[in-house]
Amino acid sequence: EDQVTQSPEALRLQEGESSSLNCSYTVSGLRGLFWYRQDPGKGPEFLFTLYSAGEEKEKERLKATLTKKESFLHITAPKPEDSATYLCAVRPLLSDYKLSFGAGTTVTVRA
Amino acid sequence: KAGVTQTPRYLIKTRGQQVTLSCSPISGHRSVSWYQQTPGQGLQFLFEYFSETQRNKGNFPGRFSGRQFSNSRSEMNVSTLELGDSALYLCASSLDTEGLPMDEQFFGPGTRLTVL
Repeated sequence: EDQVTQSPEALRLQEGESSSLNCSYTVSGLRGLFWYRQDPGKGPEFLFTLYSAGEEKEKERLKATLTKKESFLHITAPKPEDSATYLCAVRPLLSDYKLSFGAGTTVTVRA
Repeated sequence: KAGVTQTPRYLIKTRGQQVTLSCSPISGHRSVSWYQQTPGQGLQFLFEYFSETQRNKGNFPGRFSGRQFSNSRSEMNVSTLELGDSALYLCASSLDTEGLPMDEQFFGPGTRLTVL
């Protein structure tokens, strides 16, 4: 069964203090790995799709990278508005193609 | 382009009742998926529809059902509500032009269901 594990569960950062979130996955061939941002009481907002090891995507202060077993979401010089829960999801290449989500990392950035 | 819309946004029901939630995907998107999100279980996949056919189903009891219409709009129904059904129900749509679930999903704001 496909598994997605995110760490840490929670991360408290000072404004400007860069850090990384981890997403480890076990899947029978990877079709795609997706990162989402979710604010309290709202639906997840799509951030990135990564397809193959070595791939990197950037958006403002966020950068996502992918290896064969894990993905990292790097937050550079975060601001309070980057506070949210970040979710990782994987879609297998074969079988039923179901999207499996991790439990998320809740990031709090203090001014 | 308008995003995914879900109605109603909030709903309060009592045990034993049934409920129908509605989802309108992004224009042109053919695939609609439904998820249940709770603090303890996170995001759990309910089912996925493509061209009015259920393409995938999660591990939920038969009380949870759904359907998709010819215009890609989708509804999900929960019968005989239980306290544990209280959750945020999220709908997501994707383009899936090749007919396979390949593309990123875009989520709606969700329907907050409270069962008393």
